[in-house]
Amino acid sequence: ELKVEQNPLFLSMQEGKNYTIYCNYSTTSDRLYWYRQDPGKSLESLFVLLSNGAVKQEGRLMASLDTKARLSTLHITAAVHDLSATYFCAVDIWRAQKLVFGQGTRLTINP
Amino acid sequence: GAVVSQHPSWVICKSGTSVKIECRSLDFQATTMFWYRQFPKQSLMLMATSNEGSKATYEQGVEKDKFLINHASLTLSTLTVTSAHPEDSSFYICSAYLPRGQGAQNTEAFFGQGTRLTVV
Repeated sequence: ELKVEQNPLFLSMQEGKNYTIYCNYSTTSDRLYWYRQDPGKSLESLFVLLSNGAVKQEGRLMASLDTKARLSTLHITAAVHDLSATYFCAVDIWRAQKLVFGQGTRLTINP
Repeated sequence: GAVVSQHPSWVICKSGTSVKIECRSLDFQATTMFWYRQFPKQSLMLMATSNEGSKATYEQGVEKDKFLINHASLTLSTLTVTSAHPEDSSFYICSAYLPRGQGAQNTEAFFGQGTRLTVV
């Protein structure tokens, strides 16, 4: 059974600081996704990571994937209040196109 | 713009009644759609996989007679919560995969806007 674990689950930080969210998964997988969810809203796709060593960046967010360690990271650089949200990683069950989600990381960025 | 449209975005119903939620893929055909459920401050849990033209595949612990799924066409899947009770109140989200080459660089899951169901 594929398990996906995120940490931390809660993160409160000051604007301008850097931090990293970690996503570990238990078995070989096809691809890894990062999503953002605002309160009361659905999921917004941030990144799709397909191969070992993949790194993608969008604005202040950068995601990377290490398939050997079964670890993905979401790095936040010089955080701003608008990045406050819950961030989920999700992993595909091999060829089944079924996503297993991490618990989510609730990020609060204080002015 | 959104590639998966879900309707309604919120609904309030009385206990014992049934509620239907629609999920449509826009501008592409989705032979498979997925239904998730999310309780407040929790993660998404897959309920079932909706297959066009065949029966849905339910995850362990999900009552198939309570959560009826119909995938009548390549662009529409519906979830009907039958005889709803307050414990069915939740946020329901559908998703579909946009195949590579049809507007996405890689096969990617897109999500509907979600439906907040409140049973009173």
